Amino acid sequence: ETGVTQSPTHLIKTRGQQVTLRCSSQSGHNTVSWYQQALGQGPQFIFQYYREEENGRGNFPPRFSGLQFPNYSSELNVNALELDDSALYLCASSETSLVAFEQFFGPGTRLTVL
Amino acid sequence: QKEVEQDPGPLSVPEGAIVSLNCTYSNSAFQYFMWYRQYSRKGPELLMYTYSSGNKEDGRFTAQVDKSSKYISLFIRDSQPSDSATYLCAMNGSGKLTFGQGTILTVHP
Repeated sequence: ETGVTQSPTHLIKTRGQQVTLRCSSQSGHNTVSWYQQALGQGPQFIFQYYREEENGRGNFPPRFSGLQFPNYSSELNVNALELDDSALYLCASSETSLVAFEQFFGPGTRLTVL
Repeated sequence: QKEVEQDPGPLSVPEGAIVSLNCTYSNSAFQYFMWYRQYSRKGPELLMYTYSSGNKEDGRFTAQVDKSSKYISLFIRDSQPSDSATYLCAMNGSGKLTFGQGTILTVHP
């Protein structure tokens, strides 16, 4: 069984640029959630995708958007990057959106915005 | 006020000590209560979850939930240097997880 994988591991962008982060969910999981973890903070919920539809969103502006594909992999896109977007971006997958307590996290993508 | 409050520490204890980690919360809609462990440069891994008030034990770890006080705890017995990590409490409401800030724990030999 393959766990949750994310790419790239880390990247550096400049303010105003756009970035796409990728996540492959664990086998058999149809729900993907994305979280932002700033340094020294707990993860903050960005949004969740269930069967290719957005299924809940946290307090993040529209320049944070996502996609889920038929194979349940997912992308997080961030436009017009700001310095405060520098963080670890975590993807988590689960079997269902209904009782999502068992969310399995990937290793994260560390984004640095200069 | 944050929905979940967690003392960030840092907490430093000698090997073999009993560690107590705590979180308080304000949202009565939270149904599931979890503890995650996060090693440096890694994603969080689920340690334990509970649904009802009371205690749940798993090896050296005990999770405790008091819904009336909106207070949860994680106890680690016989702590080991390998337990050194950041511990995150998290609560589930309608499919999304709300995390505490995380407590940095160091267990020194």
